[in-house]
Amino acid sequence: EIVMTQSPATLSVSPGERVTLSCRASQSVSSNLAWYQQKPGQAPRLLIYDASDRATGIPARFSGSGSGTDFTLTISSLEPEDFAVYYCQQRSNWPRTFGQGTKLEI
Amino acid sequence: EVQLLESGGGLVQPGGSLRLSCVASGFNYGGYAMAWVRQAPGKGLEWVSSISMSADATYYSDSVKGRFTISRDNSKTTVYLQMSSLRAEDTALYYCAKTSGRGGDFDYWGQGTLVTVSS
Repeated sequence: EIVMTQSPATLSVSPGERVTLSCRASQSVSSNLAWYQQKPGQAPRLLIYDASDRATGIPARFSGSGSGTDFTLTISSLEPEDFAVYYCQQRSNWPRTFGQGTKLEI
Repeated sequence: EVQLLESGGGLVQPGGSLRLSCVASGFNYGGYAMAWVRQAPGKGLEWVSSISMSADATYYSDSVKGRFTISRDNSKTTVYLQMSSLRAEDTALYYCAKTSGRGGDFDYWGQGTLVTVSS
């Protein structure tokens, strides 16, 4: 099983800041990595697929990078609605696995 | 508009069974794999099971293998999760998710159905 490790677990930030979230895979997943956003009481939403491609309707302030084992999600300028939990997920191998999440808080 | 509507959750005793359903609409259902992903209270996301578009391949997490069965009825645009030998650790919100055309990531999610395993 590929273990996905996200850091940090929690990040205290302010609106307007630039934020970088990290995700590391225990073995290479090539570019087969997705990022999701989950707000309280809501289902997850796909943000980024294939490590760097934005999903439909996702604002340009969200960007992803990386390949192999190390990945980042960057939010260029935080908006109030971006405070949420972010998960990475690999689709390279079975079982599909998620990171434990990074919570962005004010 | 893609919609996924789960149902079938509830309170069940340890060792009991439950069947979850997810009715899909707004896309070519038979052209995509489907999945179940769960989230225990206050915890992260855990992939549970996936089924190919024609139901000829199914996949399970080790934590549910041998106890859960995923299936689909393309004529009813519905995916199911039959859960048996339920344990307290199966307590979670169960999401139905549409797998993208890339295979393996999930581009649309339902709102979830809550399964509580308790005596």
